[in-house]
Amino acid sequence: KQEVTQIPAALSVPEGENLVLNCSFTDSAIYNLQWFRQDPGKGLTSLLLIQSSQREQTSGRLNASLDKSSGRSTLYIAASQPGDSATYLCAVLAGGTSYGKLTFGQGTILTVHP
Amino acid sequence: NAGVTQTPKFRILKIGQSMTLQCAQDMNHNYMYWYRQDPGMGLKLIYYSVGAGITDKGEVPNGYNVSRSTTEDFPLRLELAAPSQTSVYFCASSSYRHGAAHTDTQYFGPGTRLTVL
Repeated sequence: KQEVTQIPAALSVPEGENLVLNCSFTDSAIYNLQWFRQDPGKGLTSLLLIQSSQREQTSGRLNASLDKSSGRSTLYIAASQPGDSATYLCAVLAGGTSYGKLTFGQGTILTVHP
Repeated sequence: NAGVTQTPKFRILKIGQSMTLQCAQDMNHNYMYWYRQDPGMGLKLIYYSVGAGITDKGEVPNGYNVSRSTTEDFPLRLELAAPSQTSVYFCASSSYRHGAAHTDTQYFGPGTRLTVL
């Protein structure tokens, strides 16, 4: 059974800091890994998607890496801003007969204070 | 294009009551999903559907039922509500594209916050 773990559970940083969120998964048979953002009381917004054959993806100040063999991914946020405050969720998309099923980590709650 | 819509946004139920959470998507996606999110936790899959008339259980299906009579709609039914079903429920949809599965992502609705007292 796939298990996804995110570290840390919560993170509070001053504005302008660079930060790293970590995600690990137990089964490397995945189609892709995604990072989502969730604002309080809202749904999920996809930030970055890394295909299983890729090593990293970048979007603006966000960079996500994937090491499928070791079951790890990191989300790097450069020059953090108060507007980055949210919960960040990592999820892996299963392949094969379990296609379509996303397994989520428990999330990292990020607070960026001015 | 409204994406994935869910109704209601909030609901309070008494123990033993029943209700249906509505979900609709206008993107012609074949796959649809129901998740629940408990406080401080990630999302867990309740049920999913790969097309009209086809549904299957996810990780936590007990106490729930689903049906998929059309491509657009995927309602979730709670029978005999229990306090353990207090949660936020998210519906999602995606489009499986043969040969391009590695780029597939799911689109989420805004959620329904359910409290069972």
